[in-house]
Amino acid sequence: AQKITQTQPGMFVQEKEAVTLDCTYDTSDQSYGLFWYKQPSSGEMIFLIYQGSYDEQNATEGRYSLNFQKARKSANLVISASQLGDSAMYFCAMRPNRDDKIIFGKGTRLHILP
Amino acid sequence: NAGVTQTPKFRVLKTGQSMTLLCAQDMNHEYMYWYRQDPGMGLRLIHYSVGEGTTAKGEVPDGYNVSRLKKQNFLLGLESAAPSQTSVYFCASSYVGVSYEQYFGPGTRLTVT
Repeated sequence: AQKITQTQPGMFVQEKEAVTLDCTYDTSDQSYGLFWYKQPSSGEMIFLIYQGSYDEQNATEGRYSLNFQKARKSANLVISASQLGDSAMYFCAMRPNRDDKIIFGKGTRLHILP
Repeated sequence: NAGVTQTPKFRVLKTGQSMTLLCAQDMNHEYMYWYRQDPGMGLRLIHYSVGEGTTAKGEVPDGYNVSRLKKQNFLLGLESAAPSQTSVYFCASSYVGVSYEQYFGPGTRLTVT
């Protein structure tokens, strides 16, 4: 069965520090995609970053990078130089290549402290 | 380009009432999805559609029905609302392909009393 696990329900981080949000996944598929979404307190879902299972390089988008460790089935999100506006809920998600659906984790609530 | 829109934004229903949530997208996406979000549960898939005229069940389909008569619209129906259906409902759409992210609507907050 496909599953996404986010073990950190909440995190507090000092502004300007780097943040790592953990995500592990379980799949028997060889081809899949991994996603991270941000949900601020306003409620909208914002796509942050994508990593394909066959991509050799870790994905990066501005201050966001995805630390992809395929053998460990890990897809951690790294936010460099955190800002107050990064305070939000963050969701890890996966879509197996053969499937039409994305599976979401339960999320990690990140609080950035001034 | 409005992206994904949802109507209504808020609704209060009494137990047993029915309603339809409308999702519309203007990006010519093939895939559309309905999720519910409850505290501590993340996003759970209710139903989805891979094209006009097709629908499929997700993780929590009971008590909901859907229709995709037009490619740009995906309707979610509650025939007889229950308090357990109090939630925030999100619609999303995407292109075909594993690398394409889902674009989300702003959500509908539904309360069933």
